[in-house]
Amino acid sequence: DADVTQTPRNRITKTGKRIMLECSQTKGHDRMYWYRQDPGLGLRLIYYSFDVKDINKGEISDGYSVSRQAQAKFSLSLESAIPNQTALYFCATSDYRGTAFFGQGTRLTVV
Amino acid sequence: AQKVTQAQTEISVVEKEDVTLDCVYETRDTTYYLFWYKQPPSGELVFLIRRNSFDEQNEISGRYSWNFQKSTSSFNFTITASQVVDSAVYFCALSEATQAGTALIFGKGTTLSVSS
Repeated sequence: DADVTQTPRNRITKTGKRIMLECSQTKGHDRMYWYRQDPGLGLRLIYYSFDVKDINKGEISDGYSVSRQAQAKFSLSLESAIPNQTALYFCATSDYRGTAFFGQGTRLTVV
Repeated sequence: AQKVTQAQTEISVVEKEDVTLDCVYETRDTTYYLFWYKQPPSGELVFLIRRNSFDEQNEISGRYSWNFQKSTSSFNFTITASQVVDSAVYFCALSEATQAGTALIFGKGTTLSVSS
């Protein structure tokens, strides 16, 4: 089984719909992250959490929210999806030095 | 604020050529970590190497080598005798080891295409 699991792997949704992307990890790491990847823009940080009670905004948090349900679970929500949120989303965990382990990604299309 | 710059957007080489991917970083911390990740066409992100700010020793692993220079804030990655399987997007990243903690920040990536 993968150390970091994202569900779903692919999703097509309509504009205005609420959608949740889920992430779970078995690495035992406290730190978890959500990144968005767009062509030519690299990986941009949406939100990160250093423990269950800690949530921090990243570079592009507008339009997104997160929930850290447990050490092993970190979900990303789009309250009202819009087409420019179409992207590849990655969840990651890391140790305190930042060595990150990534999920396989969720390809989200908003139509 | 921390920042990672990969000035090379795309590089194309022919098999067996050597290629260097550049990475320049900015940070106000004295303790930090630098990383390289590889993203092959299949899409997963693969960790390649981590260096800490106290260790400027260059590292070689097979055909891969890394040159870390604090004086120029650079952490360059060289592939010797490139192969088609090296074709991927390569990301440089930075993590600051402050008590408050900061997240891993990535550059925009360099797409390497190796042709046969």
